[in-house]
Amino acid sequence: DVKVTQSSRYLVKRTGEKVFLECVQDMDHENMFWYRQDPGLGLRLIYFSYDVKMKEKGDIPEGYSVSREKKERFSLILESASTNQTSMYLCASTGPAKNIQYFGAGTRLSVL
Amino acid sequence: GENVEQHPSTLSVQEGDSAVIKCTYSDSASNYFPWYKQELGKRPQLIIDIRSNVGEKKDQRIAVTLNKTAKHFSLHITETQPEDSAVYFCAASNEGAQKLVFGQGTRLTINP
Repeated sequence: DVKVTQSSRYLVKRTGEKVFLECVQDMDHENMFWYRQDPGLGLRLIYFSYDVKMKEKGDIPEGYSVSREKKERFSLILESASTNQTSMYLCASTGPAKNIQYFGAGTRLSVL
Repeated sequence: GENVEQHPSTLSVQEGDSAVIKCTYSDSASNYFPWYKQELGKRPQLIIDIRSNVGEKKDQRIAVTLNKTAKHFSLHITETQPEDSAVYFCAASNEGAQKLVFGQGTRLTINP
């Protein structure tokens, strides 16, 4: 079974804080993705990565950055958290069947 | 880029009845169309997918149809059961691109 693990289920941060969301997969998947999920907006892609140290912007990258120093770990960084970044964040990875995405359980972030 | 529209946003059906969720896409190069189910508090999981070389695919009570000319695809659930209650997301991609564009989601409620 593929396991995609997000380090926190719930986070509460203050405006202006630097926030790190961590995602780890245990299946040696090459591709990893970060989405945010908001009611009525579906899943919107923030950033994705095809390989170590490689990243590409998704549809809504503004205010976010990412880091992939190791194949199994993909981090989402909010440089200076704002209230409009309050959301559910989902990490996903794909393996040899490249379009089947395996999701983590999500991190619900509240920025106060 | 690709744009996926999903309707309806909410759907309520009586147990045992059928449910249909529809999606349209904009990019004629898209050739892979998965559906994900997200139960309350859980991660999205792939339930069925279809590629552009077929018009219909069925797996027990769920089926997906694809009309490439009209650029729309639909999820059909027959003999609905309470455990079908969830949020359903459609998505589209060009398999070479490896990333998915999701629809806005449909909250399906099965009434006993």
